[in-house]
Amino acid sequence: KAGVTQTPRYLIKTRGQQVTLSCSPISGHRSVSWYQQTPGQGLQFLFEYFSETQRNKGNFPGRFSGRQFSNSRSEMNVSTLELGDSALYLCASSLTVQETQYFGPGTRLLVL
Amino acid sequence: KQEVTQIPAALSVPEGENLVLNCSFTDSAIYNLQWFRQDPGKGLTSLLLIQSSQREQTSGRLNASLDKSSGRSTLYIAASQPGDSATYLCAVTRAGKSTFGDGTTLTVKP
Repeated sequence: KAGVTQTPRYLIKTRGQQVTLSCSPISGHRSVSWYQQTPGQGLQFLFEYFSETQRNKGNFPGRFSGRQFSNSRSEMNVSTLELGDSALYLCASSLTVQETQYFGPGTRLLVL
Repeated sequence: KQEVTQIPAALSVPEGENLVLNCSFTDSAIYNLQWFRQDPGKGLTSLLLIQSSQREQTSGRLNASLDKSSGRSTLYIAASQPGDSATYLCAVTRAGKSTFGDGTTLTVKP
């Protein structure tokens, strides 16, 4: 089975721009979660989707949004980028929230 | 609000030693606890998952325990090897949200 894939792997943007990151979960997995990892804040939960519905959201501003499609693929969008948004964005998938989470390699975003 | 703490923050041991990494959490109402490994610049690799109803899980040289009542988990690594050098993170999950500790960075010296 193919693992969780994330595209793009690396991204450079400037302040004020917007960005869309993509995550393809393991086949059959319906739960997709997104996390932001920074040296100062560690790994922080962004949101979780299950069957196209956002079920949980972390403490991030409204500039961070996401969605999940009928094939369970998920996208995350960040609008009006700030320098502090530079981070590794990780996506994880699981069969259900009680099952093992499998993480993708991440998208490293640099905001200049 | 769930808080997860990992002690120690860093650990350096000679090859062959057995070691224990600690994880504590403040809210015992969890679905499961998962241990991950992260190599520099990489994503997370799942090592072990312990459901809330379980007490421990084993995989090869790794053994993880869970004591929900005291809010603690330990990851035991037997006969450590240089290839075990990485950052180890624990995460507790409840209602679709996982809270991570800051990790323990392990260095195993040949």
